[in-house]
This record gives sequence, C-alpha cells and structure tokens, in this order.
Amino acid sequence: AQTVTQSQPEMSVQEAETVTLSCTYDTSESDYYLFWYKQPPSRQMILVIRQEAYKQQNATENRFSVNFQKAAKSFSLKISDSQLGDAAMYFCAYRRRGGADGLTFGKGTHLIIQP
Amino acid sequence: NAGVTQTPKFRILKIGQSMTLQCAQDMNHNYMYWYRQDPGMGLKLIYYSVGAGITDKGEVPNGYNVSRSTTEDFPLRLELAAPSQTSVYFCASSPGGAGYGYTFGSGTRLTVV
Repeated sequence: AQTVTQSQPEMSVQEAETVTLSCTYDTSESDYYLFWYKQPPSRQMILVIRQEAYKQQNATENRFSVNFQKAAKSFSLKISDSQLGDAAMYFCAYRRRGGADGLTFGKGTHLIIQP
Repeated sequence: NAGVTQTPKFRILKIGQSMTLQCAQDMNHNYMYWYRQDPGMGLKLIYYSVGAGITDKGEVPNGYNVSRSTTEDFPLRLELAAPSQTSVYFCASSPGGAGYGYTFGSGTRLTVV
C-alpha cells in the first residue's frame, strides 16, 4: 500500500518570505500523480498544484512550485512571497495511474504566516 | 456553479442513531468519494464510486454504507452511530481517474455523543 509522509506538523514563516513544505511517499508504482491541497480555516479543500510522475519538469502555479525528486520519492512544495491568506493546513496526496480508489493523503502541515 | 454540495454542515447524533450524509454534484463527474478527517490524521477513504450503480470500499468502510443510483448523488449512511465516528466527513468528485484532482464539498462535522 502507498503511504504519504509529511514530517513537519507545523511550519511558520514571515510574510513575504519563502517556505518549503516537505512530503515523501512510498510506492512500488512507476506512474502516478502527486498533489498538494490547501485547507484554510473554512475547512474547504482546495487543489494547489499537481505533478505527473512521468514528467521531469517541476510543476508551477504562480507563487507555488514543487521540487519533485522521483528517485528519492520526495515532493516538496515551495511557497514564494508568502501571504497571510496562505495560512492553512497543507496536505500532500498520491494517486497511482489507473487507480480509481482515490487519493492517499499525508497527515498535513499547519502553515502559520507571521505578519 | 454549485460544484459539490454536502448536507448537513453540522450534526450531533446520539449513540445508536442512524443518519444519512447527503452529497450531490452538478459537474457530471463519474467518480465520487467519501473521506473522513480526524484531527492530526489526514483524510481517509471510506467508500468510492466510479459511476452509477458501482461502489467499492476504501480504507475505513466499517460502520458505513453507500449507494449510487444516479451520477449526481452519493449518500453516505451511518448505521448505529458510535463515538468513533465523530469526525469531519468530506465528499469529493472527479471527472475521471488518476490524473484529475478532486472537487471537494465543504464537509460535515459529525459528533456522536
């Protein structure tokens, strides 16, 4: 079974600074997808960014980018120019290609933005 | 543009009671999911469906049942509620398989006392 590990229960960053959230995963599959979701205090789950394992290029969405290291099974999220609205729980998730059985989530990292 | 709608948003149940959590999506998505979120534990898959009439168990199905009679609706039934079912429940949908992200509902906070 796949597992997703987020080793940082909580991270804190100054507004306008850059922060990196860590995620590692364990799988025997070679083709899969990785995701980062944001959950603000409103509880709504929001997709931040998606990475396809067979693509070498790291995904980027505005201030959010990933560092995908397939051999190391590592998938970190970098948030640049942190804003107060970035404060939330962030969840890393994995899904194998061809898998209908849903995403496997990590336990989450609570990101605090210091003004 | 409603997306995924969950009702109710909050509910308190007594031990042994039953209830149905409703989930509806208006995006014509084939895939639908139910997750529970416990504090510090991430989200765990309860049940999922790849289309009307097709459902399958996830990681933590005990104490729950689902049905999928239409593409739009995917209700989750709790029979004989127990304190261990106190959690936040999320319904989600996606248009297809692995490469698609989910659209989540806003969640239902359930407390069993």
